[in-house]
Amino acid sequence: AQTVTQSQPEMSVQEAETVTLSCTYDTSESDYYLFWYKQPPSRQMILVIRQEAYKQQNATENRFSVNFQKAAKSFSLKISDSQLGDAAMYFCAYGAGGTSYGKLTFGQGTILTVHP
Amino acid sequence: DTEVTQTPKHLVMGMTNKKSLKCEQHMGHRAMYWYKQKAKKPPELMFVYSYEKLSINESVPSRFSPECPNSSLLNLHLHALQPEDSALYLCASSQDIAGGSYNEQFFGPGTRLTVL
Repeated sequence: AQTVTQSQPEMSVQEAETVTLSCTYDTSESDYYLFWYKQPPSRQMILVIRQEAYKQQNATENRFSVNFQKAAKSFSLKISDSQLGDAAMYFCAYGAGGTSYGKLTFGQGTILTVHP
Repeated sequence: DTEVTQTPKHLVMGMTNKKSLKCEQHMGHRAMYWYKQKAKKPPELMFVYSYEKLSINESVPSRFSPECPNSSLLNLHLHALQPEDSALYLCASSQDIAGGSYNEQFFGPGTRLTVL
């Protein structure tokens, strides 16, 4: 079974600084997708960034980028130029390729606090 | 329209009540999901519907009864709930359940349920 581990229950960052959230996963599959979701307090969960396992290039979305190390099964999220609106709970999630019946395996989450 | 809507936003019910949660999407997605989320925890998958048929029931107690009347609508019928069922109930949708990129799930804002 796949597992996803986020080893940092809480992180904090100063506004305009850079922060990296860690995620490791365990799988025996070769075809899979990884996601970072953001859930602000009392607000909707939204997708931040997605990485296909078959792609060597790390995904980037504006201030958000990932460091995908397939051999190490590591998928960290870097947030550059942090903003107050980045404060949220961040979940790393794994989705298998093939017939996975849509199941996502989530990590336990990291609460990110942004200080002005 | 890239939105998943859920009603009601908040629901308070007694243990003998019957109520329903509603979820709607108009993105043409053929997979829809119900999750239960406790505070500061990741979402826990409850049910997956694919092409209006129940694909996955994660051993959810029968006091939760899902229904998918059409491809855009998903209901969760609640009856004889327990106080420990109090949680945020999230609905999500994705293109398909075939795995890979189709696992990109779009979440609704959730219904916050309190069982007295």
